[in-house]
Amino acid sequence: AQKVTQAQTEISVVEKEDVTLDCVYETRDTTYYLFWYKQPPSGELVFLIRRNSFDEQNEISGRYSWNFQKSTSSFNFTITASQVVDSAVYFCALSEEGGSEKLVFGKGTKLTVNP
Amino acid sequence: EAGVTQFPSHSVIEKGQTVTLRCDPISGHDNLYWYRRVMGKEIKFLLHFVKESKQDESGMPNNRFLAERTGGTYSTLKVQPAELEDSGVYFCASSQDFGGYPYEQYFGPGTRLTVT
Repeated sequence: AQKVTQAQTEISVVEKEDVTLDCVYETRDTTYYLFWYKQPPSGELVFLIRRNSFDEQNEISGRYSWNFQKSTSSFNFTITASQVVDSAVYFCALSEEGGSEKLVFGKGTKLTVNP
Repeated sequence: EAGVTQFPSHSVIEKGQTVTLRCDPISGHDNLYWYRRVMGKEIKFLLHFVKESKQDESGMPNNRFLAERTGGTYSTLKVQPAELEDSGVYFCASSQDFGGYPYEQYFGPGTRLTVT
């Protein structure tokens, strides 16, 4: 069965601090895909990244970076030098190969960046 | 390019009434998904259309929920009769034809349904 766990329910930091959002997943498939989405106060989910199970390279996009480790079934997300605009709920999700490619989501982590 | 749109943004109905939610996907996206987030819980998959066909409806909670996608364009999700536990935020998402590889899903802002 697929499962995504985001143990951190809420995180509060001060602007310019670095913050890491944890994501641990469970799947029996050898081929799968991991995603991060951001949900700002406006409500829509904004796609941030997709990573497939064969690519364990870490990725950096501006202040965002992702650390994918199959050995620990984790796909953590780090925001460097956080800004107030980063305040949002962040969701980690998993999709397995084949079938409908439905996303299985974690419960989300609410990040508040204070000025 | 217009994003995924959903209507209404918020609906308040009484138990036993009927509500219809609408989703307009991004133009050209064959895949359309419905998800739901009940208060305090995960966002959960409801069903997936490929064009007008239901690819996977394993997440539909019961037969009070009916989804349609006539002509492979917009989709509607009808709840009849609504129960208290149906309250939550209903998200629609769309993606390109994946051919076995899952493209990212683009989500709408959601419809907040409150059943009283």
